Amino acid sequence: DTGVSQDPRHKITKRGQNVTFRCDPISEHNRLYWYRQTLGQGPEFLTYFQNEAQLEKSRLLSDRFSAERPKGSFSTLEIQRTEQGDSAMYLCASSLGHATVRNTEAFFGQGTRLTVV
Amino acid sequence: AQKITQTQPGMFVQEKEAVTLDCTYDTSDQSYGLFWYKQPSSGEMIFLIYQGSYDEQNATEGRYSLNFQKARKSANLVISASQLGDSAMYFCAMRRPSGGYNKLIFGAGTRLAVHP
Repeated sequence: DTGVSQDPRHKITKRGQNVTFRCDPISEHNRLYWYRQTLGQGPEFLTYFQNEAQLEKSRLLSDRFSAERPKGSFSTLEIQRTEQGDSAMYLCASSLGHATVRNTEAFFGQGTRLTVV
Repeated sequence: AQKITQTQPGMFVQEKEAVTLDCTYDTSDQSYGLFWYKQPSSGEMIFLIYQGSYDEQNATEGRYSLNFQKARKSANLVISASQLGDSAMYFCAMRRPSGGYNKLIFGAGTRLAVHP
């Protein structure tokens, strides 16, 4: 499977615990995104990486959230001191961006569904 | 502020018939791109079709076509010859500018049910 891969698919955690999600983008894609989707809503943008550089963070990404993309390959999203309001689907996406190639659409993974109890 | 509005929470269609899913958008930008994604129960967002704001012709991809009316700021998705596998959530989204990175603004979605 050469699509975007996310792990785990489901995570149940107690309030106050830390959780970490992993995303493996399509291998040639240099752009990576994290989105959050709550029940009954469309996804909301959280953050964007070009290679290893985090170029934009949404105000939705509080201090408890941190994302990394070491070496410009896979990415991790960590939530510290989880709250019940963090319960959502966390979607990762990747796309190809190049100065001489027309930008392409984002390809999404199947998401990590987080439940905070 | 930029916004995507999908006014149909749910739609029903008979198999093999066509269906139109509505999407209106609000932006003051001249350059933007409009997308439709399908989200089955598995959770993955599947790209269906793209329309750039400067594209003169409506986009088509197989059974999917995008009815782009720039003056009315609408970008409706038309699915022809519906199939049972089309049952899913459908999201309209916008990217600014059209050639920018994929910071997408999504609507709330429309749930489509295809009946045999």
